[in-house]
Amino acid sequence: AQSVTQLDSQVPVFEEAPVELRCNYSSSVSVYLFWYVQYPNQGLQLLLKYLSGSTLVKGINGFEAEFNKSQTSFHLRKPSVHISDTAEYFCAVSDIGRGKSTFGDGTTLTVKP
Amino acid sequence: DAGVTQSPTHLIKTRGQQVTLRCSPISGHKSVSWYQQVLGQGPQFIFQYYEKEERGRGNFPDRFSARQFPNYSSELNVNALLLGDSALYLCASSLAYGAMGTDTQYFGPGTRLTVL
Repeated sequence: AQSVTQLDSQVPVFEEAPVELRCNYSSSVSVYLFWYVQYPNQGLQLLLKYLSGSTLVKGINGFEAEFNKSQTSFHLRKPSVHISDTAEYFCAVSDIGRGKSTFGDGTTLTVKP
Repeated sequence: DAGVTQSPTHLIKTRGQQVTLRCSPISGHKSVSWYQQVLGQGPQFIFQYYEKEERGRGNFPDRFSARQFPNYSSELNVNALLLGDSALYLCASSLAYGAMGTDTQYFGPGTRLTVL
């Protein structure tokens, strides 16, 4: 069984400040890791993914994440946020070779002017 | 290129009714998965289909069923609707199943189901 814990349900930050959204996971098998963003009343948009190789993954909109196998974490970071980054962010894991993903409960990022 | 499309966008039903939701995957994608997202929570896995066969099922009652057609589109059916079935239903497509590197899922905009 897999599980995903997003450690912060809400993260308020000021515009141009750095931000980190934390994600821990547990799984008995090797997994792929994903971050998605969801804007109000929309579906999920893939931000970035870790499949293998370099543990530092760069995604769209200036986001990056680092896979830490020993700490079973996949934290999302951005050095300088914009108002338009205000959204819900979901961390997800999936078994390698399977399409089923397990999601965390989400982190609401609110960027204030 | 068109992304994943879902229909209808919104739906209002009453308790006990039945509903069918539709999904068309990205061209070339052969796997479709369905998720339920209740307000304030992350998506929960319902089904995955690949090549018209069910490849995975989440912890949902038998009132939920799905199928995949030869053109890889899919339908999700929910019978005997309950108030608790009110949610955003998301469809995701991926290239294949069971092969490394094909697991990336691309999501549609969802169907918002309200049960009164």
